[in-house]
Amino acid sequence: EPEVTQTPSHQVTQMGQEVILRCVPISNHLYFYWYRQILGQKVEFLVSFYNNEISEKSEIFDDQFSVERPDGSNFTLKIRSTKLEDSAMYFCATQGREGRNEQYFGPGTRLTVT
Amino acid sequence: AQTVTQSQPEMSVQEAETVTLSCTYDTSENNYYLFWYKQPPSRQMILVIRQEAYKQQNATENRFSVNFQKAAKSFSLKISDSQLGDTAMYFCAFMKGLNYGGATNKLIFGTGTLLAVQP
Repeated sequence: EPEVTQTPSHQVTQMGQEVILRCVPISNHLYFYWYRQILGQKVEFLVSFYNNEISEKSEIFDDQFSVERPDGSNFTLKIRSTKLEDSAMYFCATQGREGRNEQYFGPGTRLTVT
Repeated sequence: AQTVTQSQPEMSVQEAETVTLSCTYDTSENNYYLFWYKQPPSRQMILVIRQEAYKQQNATENRFSVNFQKAAKSFSLKISDSQLGDTAMYFCAFMKGLNYGGATNKLIFGTGTLLAVQP
């Protein structure tokens, strides 16, 4: 069964460093999302992406964040200068064609900023 | 703005018994979808079941079923014949109806209910 994959599974970085989180969507999916979950809290929407551009973004998704699909396969989330409060689990989710509303989540990347 | 409320932070059930997890939501939309996701200790988010708001019939997936009360804005999850592997955090989630033409629609999650299945 096709699945969403994410790398790395765990990333430790120092405050102020740049990190790139990678996601490989299910192959025929068109809609892509990033969510994050701070430990013990609910899952929060960050950004959605369709047709090579951002469709919607939350207040959390400020200028420190960016997304792209550089090679038509990977979908990446970049955090330019990490802060302590960026420590969280980051989930990529992908969705198929219009009319199918299920979003399938990857296993997540646990980001720890020290 | 839409909100999702899960009022039971933790629940416990004996193996083989039935448990119901509660979820209420608030929206002015008429076209929307509701989901239950399971998050086991591995923290993977797994889709359990979905419900279209325009459908009166409650969704069912094997041992999982929902009680969707649109007027009351209630969407509870019933797990029958609970198994040890059902131990997880369960999140209720809301999505506005997808706008055709490429518009995406985010999931809005509740705070979750931690379910423990006891042997």
